[in-house]
Formats: sequence, C-alpha cells, structure tokens
Amino acid sequence: KNQVEQSPQSLIILEGKNCTLQCNYTVSPFSNLRWYKQDTGRGPVSLTIMTFSENTKSNGRYTATLDADTKQSSLHITASQLSDSASYICVVSFRDDKIIFGKGTRLHILP
Amino acid sequence: DSGVTQTPKHLITATGQRVTLRCSPRSGDLSVYWYQQSLDQGLQFLIQYYNGEERAKGNILERFSAQQFPDLHSELNLSSLELGDSALYFCASNEGAGDQPQHFGDGTRLSIL
Repeated sequence: KNQVEQSPQSLIILEGKNCTLQCNYTVSPFSNLRWYKQDTGRGPVSLTIMTFSENTKSNGRYTATLDADTKQSSLHITASQLSDSASYICVVSFRDDKIIFGKGTRLHILP
Repeated sequence: DSGVTQTPKHLITATGQRVTLRCSPRSGDLSVYWYQQSLDQGLQFLIQYYNGEERAKGNILERFSAQQFPDLHSELNLSSLELGDSALYFCASNEGAGDQPQHFGDGTRLSIL
C-alpha cells in the first residue's frame, strides 16, 4: 500500500535551536518528494523538491535530504526562528502523476 | 502571495445545502487542483483540471463536482452537505499538467451547522 508517514506528529523547541523532521514513504514507482510549510490558516508553500537522483537540497535555513534506497527523507531546520512555527508536510509523487500527502509535523518554536 | 485566489474565505451553512467554492489560478497556470483538509488530517486530493478538461480524480465524493471555465477559473460544487464536510478546501495551480511545485491559495473554510 502506498503511504507517507511523518514523524514526530508535533515538536516543541526553543528559538535558535536546530531540529529534524522525518518522512518515510512506501510509494512506488517514486517520482519526486516535496516539503511544504503550512502556516496556520494559510495554504501550503513549497520549500524544496527532490527527484530520485538528488539527495540533498537547501532553501535558506531549510535543508532536505533524500535516501531513495531506504525511502526516507528529512527536513533539517537550522537556527530556528519564531516564524518557523508551522506544519511541515511531506508530499511524494508517483511516476503516473499520483500524489500522496503526509499528515504533517506541527512545529512550535518557543521564545 | 501565491497568486492563487480563493473565495469566499469562510462559509457557514446547514446540512443538506449546496455551496460553490471559487478559485482563480495564478496567471499563466493551466492546471487547477482541489484539496480537502479536515481537522488534524492531511490534505486529500479531490480533482485536477487542465485547460478546461478533467485530468485526474482523487477521493472526490459523488455529491461533489467541479469544473474549469474557459478563463481558467474553477469552481467546486458541494451538495447535500453533511457535518463531515466541514473542512478547509484548498485550490492549487500549476503551469503544466504534470507534477510540478504547486501554488496554493489560502483556502475556503467551510463550516456545516
């Protein structure tokens, strides 16, 4: 069964600290994987997108990694800021244009 | 600002009623996607239109229907509404038909009383 699972469900860290969010998938055949940030009450915003051949991609303080062999991805946030408080959603696409969204990790940054 | 506009932002109605949600895609985008996000649930893909034609269908109920007009705006029609239909409904748009980074609107929050 094609699935995308994210962990942890929620995470609380202090401002300035780093954190890593996980995404495991069982999708096949894999096309690409994207991470989105969704602020409360807003639509998701794309952070990174990676294909099978890419194993890391950065967008400012956000760095995504992909291990296509183990079917795992992580999103690392460096020097967190209060504005990083949001849900982070992992989305995996199949080669026939099907898409599965993970349920997201809710990140809270405390001052 | 993603360039995707959804109206209305909020909608409150009763069970059994029918509503229409509207989406204007980002300028130049031909694909429109509709998603449903219930409380504490992930985004569920409903349907995709590309240049006026239905291209892909997800978990869309028979009570729901959508269309994309010649000016590329899209409408999602929800009928015989049930309490469980309360959710955020997002529209996203892409330039092409295939999988590309999607630009999302800020959603319509539908509350069924």
